[in-house]
Amino acid sequence: NAGVTQTPKFQVLKTGQSMTLQCAQDMNHNSMYWYRQDPGMGLRLIYYSASEGTTDKGEVPNGYNVSRLNKREFSLRLESAAPSQTSVYFCASSEMRLGTDTQYFGPGTRLTVL
Amino acid sequence: DAKTTQPPSMDCAEGRAANLPCNHSTISGNEYVYWYRQIHSQGPQYIIHGLKNNETNEMASLIITEDRKSSTLILPHATLRDTAVYYCIVSSGSARQLTFGSGTQLTVLP
Repeated sequence: NAGVTQTPKFQVLKTGQSMTLQCAQDMNHNSMYWYRQDPGMGLRLIYYSASEGTTDKGEVPNGYNVSRLNKREFSLRLESAAPSQTSVYFCASSEMRLGTDTQYFGPGTRLTVL
Repeated sequence: DAKTTQPPSMDCAEGRAANLPCNHSTISGNEYVYWYRQIHSQGPQYIIHGLKNNETNEMASLIITEDRKSSTLILPHATLRDTAVYYCIVSSGSARQLTFGSGTQLTVLP
């Protein structure tokens, strides 16, 4: 049981380049999330997907797009990377059980935009 | 979601119990208290959660006061690997975003 996996672990982009961050979970969870964490700060939600086929904006969606490819996979795309998007990106998944929705996180992707 | 207040840092001797406090005086009746930790920029790790009763699992115990305005996470026998930032989060089951504040930096000393 790998839990939540993310690829790549590290990435360096030039301003204007595009890339897709991949996330997969093997816990059969319905909900998946993308967060970013800037140095010394807490996590902020970019997008989430409550179930397969649905996506919704979080706190900081500008500059990003997402795709819920299937129940297992949720990708985050940067169409035209900017230095302000330099951050650590975390994917998470969760399943509502008994009124609670505990989120489990992946190891993160460290992105630098030059 | 209700806001939480935690001390910025704490030290604990290895092998001793680490008691991490959290204030959440504006918590609503349907909101749970969650604890996560983040070890050196790794992904946040779920520890435990509770509504109003005390909870215990293989990692920790969670003590919630009767009025639910504060809670304490207890690591019974802290090890060096427990050095991390610990986040207390209050969230209802329907909330999508977990709001991570600044947390408590716990340093376990040898």
